Amino acid sequence: QKEVEQNSGPLSVPEGAIASLNCTYSDRGSQSFFWYRQYSGKSPELIMFIYSNGDKEDGRFTAQLNKASQYVSLLIRDSQPSDSATYLCAVSYGNNRLAFGKGNQVVVIP
Amino acid sequence: GAVVSQHPSWVICKSGTSVKIECRSLDFQATTMFWYRQFPKQSLMLMATSNEGSKATYEQGVEKDKFLINHASLTLSTLTVTSAHPEDSSFYICSARPPWGYEQFFGPGTRLTVL
Repeated sequence: QKEVEQNSGPLSVPEGAIASLNCTYSDRGSQSFFWYRQYSGKSPELIMFIYSNGDKEDGRFTAQLNKASQYVSLLIRDSQPSDSATYLCAVSYGNNRLAFGKGNQVVVIP
Repeated sequence: GAVVSQHPSWVICKSGTSVKIECRSLDFQATTMFWYRQFPKQSLMLMATSNEGSKATYEQGVEKDKFLINHASLTLSTLTVTSAHPEDSSFYICSARPPWGYEQFFGPGTRLTVL
C-alpha cells in the first residue's frame, strides 16, 4: 500500500477553537483525497473530499490540498465536543483503492 | 443517500468455524466494494477489492483461501472467514463506491471475536 502519514499526536483544543490536522502522502499519482471521522468503536464517516489544489469549505470544515508538496490538511472551525474523534486521512491509488493514515485523535475540551 | 449496511454487527464464534459477513449498499448500486480490517488503535488495512461478477482482488499478504469474498450482485458483497482462529478477531468493515464519485461509504462494521 501507499504511504499516508499523520504524525501528530492527540490534539486537545478548547471548545470554539480551530483544530488543524495535517497529512502527507507518498504517491504523486494520487488524485483524490478524503477526510474521515471515526468515533471510538464505530466505522469511518466521510467528512470531506478534495480533488483540486487549494481550499474546499463545507460548513465548519475546510480541506486544503497542495499536490506539489504532497500535503493535505483539515481545519475544524468552532470546534464542538461532538467533534472529539479520530480523523483519518485517505488517499486514492490504483483501481480506486484508498490508503489510510493512522489517524489523529482530537479532543475538544468544553 | 449512500447508505451501506453490514450484518451481523458482532459475532462470537469458536475456533475452527466459519463466519459470513454481508455488506449491502441500500440506496445505490456499487460496482466496487472493499473489505477492510482494523485492529485496536490501528488504522484501516485494505484486505480486498470486490467487483460485481468477477473474482476479488486481494492485497498482498491476505490469504484468499481464508477470506472468501463473493460479490453476487450490484448491492451485495459477502466476506467469509473460514476456519477462524483467535488471531482473526478484529473489526471488519466494508465500503462501497457509488457510481457518481470516488469516495467510499462505509458500513457500520462487524466485530468478530474468535474464542
